[in-house]
Amino acid sequence: EPEVTQTPSHQVTQMGQEVILRCVPISNHLYFYWYRQILGQKVEFLVSFYNNEISEKSEIFDDQFSVERPDGSNFTLKIRSTKLEDSAMYFCASNLGGGGSYEQYFGPGTRLTVT
Amino acid sequence: AQKVTQAQTEISVVEKEDVTLDCVYETRDTTYYLFWYKQPPSGELVFLIRRNSFDEQNEISGRYSWNFQKSTSSFNFTITASQVVDSAVYFCALSENRDDKIIFGKGTRLHILP
Repeated sequence: EPEVTQTPSHQVTQMGQEVILRCVPISNHLYFYWYRQILGQKVEFLVSFYNNEISEKSEIFDDQFSVERPDGSNFTLKIRSTKLEDSAMYFCASNLGGGGSYEQYFGPGTRLTVT
Repeated sequence: AQKVTQAQTEISVVEKEDVTLDCVYETRDTTYYLFWYKQPPSGELVFLIRRNSFDEQNEISGRYSWNFQKSTSSFNFTITASQVVDSAVYFCALSENRDDKIIFGKGTRLHILP
């Protein structure tokens, strides 16, 4: 069964550094998402991406964040200057079509630790 | 606005007992989708079920069952004859048809005691 993959599984970085989290969505999917889960808390929507542009973003997704689909397979989340509060699990997801009628497939997550 | 409430923060039951996890949602849309995800200690999100707002039939999948009641805006999840492997955090979630994002509840941490 096709799956969403994410690398790395765990990233440790120092405050102020830039990080790029990588995702490979399912190959025929058109809609891509990032979610964040601070330890012990709920999963929160960050951004959705379709047709090479952001379709929606949350209040969390400020100017420090950016997303890109640099090629036909990868989908990346960049945090420009990490803060301690960016420490969280980041989940990538993809689905075939827009709207809630299509199932979103989640990747296994990247645990980001900012020290 | 969308909202999902899971009032039970943490539940502990002894193995083989039945347990119900509550979920109440809010939405202005008439078309929406409800989900349950399991998050084991390893951290990944495991999809359990998705229901659309037009299908109020209860669903059973092995030891799992779901009760969807639009009249009370609830989508409760029952595990029958619980097992230690069911120990996890369970998230209820909602997506409206007009957009893609999934809104999660705060989760219920379930401990199944041997």
